[in-house]
Amino acid sequence: AQTVTQSQPEMSVQEAETVTLSCTYDTSESDYYLFWYKQPPSRQMILVIRQEAYKQQNATENRFSVNFQKAAKSFSLKISDSQLGDAAMYFCAYRSNSGYALNFGKGTSLLVTP
Amino acid sequence: EPEVTQTPSHQVTQMGQEVILRCVPISNHLYFYWYRQILGQKVEFLVSFYNNEISEKSEIFDDQFSVERPDGSNFTLKIRSTKLEDSAMYFCASSWGSGKETQYFGPGTRLLVL
Repeated sequence: AQTVTQSQPEMSVQEAETVTLSCTYDTSESDYYLFWYKQPPSRQMILVIRQEAYKQQNATENRFSVNFQKAAKSFSLKISDSQLGDAAMYFCAYRSNSGYALNFGKGTSLLVTP
Repeated sequence: EPEVTQTPSHQVTQMGQEVILRCVPISNHLYFYWYRQILGQKVEFLVSFYNNEISEKSEIFDDQFSVERPDGSNFTLKIRSTKLEDSAMYFCASSWGSGKETQYFGPGTRLLVL
C-alpha cells in the first residue's frame, strides 16, 4: 500500500506571507494522482488542488500551487498571500490510477496569525 | 453548486445497536465512497461503490459494514452492531469517474458510540 507522509504536524504563517507544506509518498507506480484537501474547523473536506503524475507542469489554483518532484516522490503545497481563512488542517492524498481509494497523510495544521 | 449532503450530522448510539448513515451524492456522479476519521487521526478509506456493487474496500470494512444504494439518489452505510471504536466522523464522497476525477466530500456524520 502506498504511504503518504506529512512531516509537519503544525505550521504557522503570518497573514500575507507565504508558507509551504510538505508531503512525500511511497509508490512503485508510474501513473497516479495527488491531491491536497483542506479541512477547516467545520470538518468538511474541500479540494484545494490536484496533480496528475504524468504532467510535468506544476498545478496552480490562484494562491495555491504545488511543487511536484516525481523522482523524489515529493508533492509540496505553497500558499501565497496567506489569509485568515486559510487556517485549517491540510491533507495530502494519493490515488492510484488503478484504484479508487484516496490514501491520506496525517495532516498539517496551519495557523494563520494577523 | 451541487454538493454532497449527509444525514444526520450527529448520531449517538448504544454499543451493539445498528446505525444507518445516509448520503445524497452529487446527481450525475457515478462513483461513491465512504471514509472515516477517528478523532485526531487521518482520514481512512472504507469502501467504494460503482454500478451497484463494491469496487474496492479496505480492511476496516468488515462484515459489520454494508453499503447500499436503495434508490436513485441515496447511498447508505450500515453498521450492524456498533462498537466503541466505531466512534468517528464518517464522510461520504462522490465522483463522476474514477482515477483522476476529484472526489467531492460531504460535511460528515459524527457518530458517537456509548
